Amino acid sequence: GAVVSQHPSRVICKSGTSVKIECRSLDFQATTMFWYRQFPKQSLMLMATSNEGSKATYEQGVEKDKFLINHASLTLSTLTVTSAHPEDSSFYICSARDTRSGGTEAFFGQGTRLTVV
Amino acid sequence: KQEVTQIPAALSVPEGENLVLNCSFTDSAIYNLQWFRQDPGKGLTSLLLIQSSQREQTSGRLNASLDKSSGRSTLYIAASQPGDSATYLCAVYNFNKFYFGSGTKLNVKP
Repeated sequence: GAVVSQHPSRVICKSGTSVKIECRSLDFQATTMFWYRQFPKQSLMLMATSNEGSKATYEQGVEKDKFLINHASLTLSTLTVTSAHPEDSSFYICSARDTRSGGTEAFFGQGTRLTVV
Repeated sequence: KQEVTQIPAALSVPEGENLVLNCSFTDSAIYNLQWFRQDPGKGLTSLLLIQSSQREQTSGRLNASLDKSSGRSTLYIAASQPGDSATYLCAVYNFNKFYFGSGTKLNVKP
């Protein structure tokens, strides 16, 4: 299947700093990528839908200025957690669909464990 | 709003048993349904994808069924192995979003 690469897999940052997480589709183009957050022992919560060349669509309750999403190309979307606080510590996962081929299967990155100290 | 429920939340079985994981969803107007496996601290691995027009898909020891009218899907795992231990998530795709269940944590004991 298609491969989605997410980087970094783990990051520890100080409170007040910003962290960028990258999501790349390695062997396909994705006009749409999805960003999820997962709390311990819970399922995935959709944060936003990232659209190539346009603004991301955020879910209700997700702060746009806190979680900046950029989808500048058909293979790369980035999530930047700005002014991180300990409560932002979580597991973040991105997903993409091979939209150009009309694929309907979702492929997920390996996830990023963010710890804010 | 679509809601996805998975039962049971946790399951422990001895090696070699066949088992069934259940997934139900409230809105039958889905585009597809996908089953995933998640190992601790890892991302999701796609296991099976069922399009809304299909009734089942098979891959090795895994078989997933879909009854869209009743809002149900099952994941059947034959001859379970300790390596199958993981959390299994189902997700439905409609309204341009994926809706996930809370998962079933499976433990296969040697």
